[in-house]
Amino acid sequence: DGGITQSPKYLFRKEGQNVTLSCEQNLNHDAMYWYRQDPGQGLRLIYYSQIVNDFQKGDIAEGYSVSREKKESFPLTVTSAQKNPTAFYLCASSALTSEGTQYFGPGTRLLVL
Amino acid sequence: AQSVTQLDSQVPVFEEAPVELRCNYSSSVSVYLFWYVQYPNQGLQLLLKYLSGSTLVKGINGFEAEFNKSQTSFHLRKPSVHISDTAEYFCAVTPPEGQGGKLIFGQGTELSVKP
Repeated sequence: DGGITQSPKYLFRKEGQNVTLSCEQNLNHDAMYWYRQDPGQGLRLIYYSQIVNDFQKGDIAEGYSVSREKKESFPLTVTSAQKNPTAFYLCASSALTSEGTQYFGPGTRLLVL
Repeated sequence: AQSVTQLDSQVPVFEEAPVELRCNYSSSVSVYLFWYVQYPNQGLQLLLKYLSGSTLVKGINGFEAEFNKSQTSFHLRKPSVHISDTAEYFCAVTPPEGQGGKLIFGQGTELSVKP
């Protein structure tokens, strides 16, 4: 089955801790994205990447970091600098065509202990 | 800057009634338009998209949307809803070419179908 997987489904973070959310796709897409979803605020773009070893900040990159060492993988690290990390995190991927239809993973819910 | 406005944050409706979820966007150039559905605690699933051609677009689960360029709208409709349509619906637009295929999302409309 082709698709996007995210793990874990739930993640708990302690104060001052960095945590990493996994995103893997087998759709052979060049572009990958990370979004944060809070109730009533829609989706906000954190980071995106169009090619291996390159990525760009989105609208709310502060307190987050990413890497793109492989085409299939785009992990997101929520650092201790992110003071309000509780949210639902969604990963997406797309082909690099002008329409750019994005396909989404099932999401990871991050909670702070 | 591009923006997408979903005019209703919540839409309650009875089962088998018709529904319209409204979406307006701001753009002076051609864009691509999308509707996604999100069931509780899940990712987003593509319902339909408008790229070009016929302004009436049909999607999955009996939904359709009409692109209206003069009113910069892309409203989603279904003639008869089911309980299983209860979900959050997001309208999205791609900005003009050259901006990395980023999607700009509306705030979402929560559709609640009651028996």
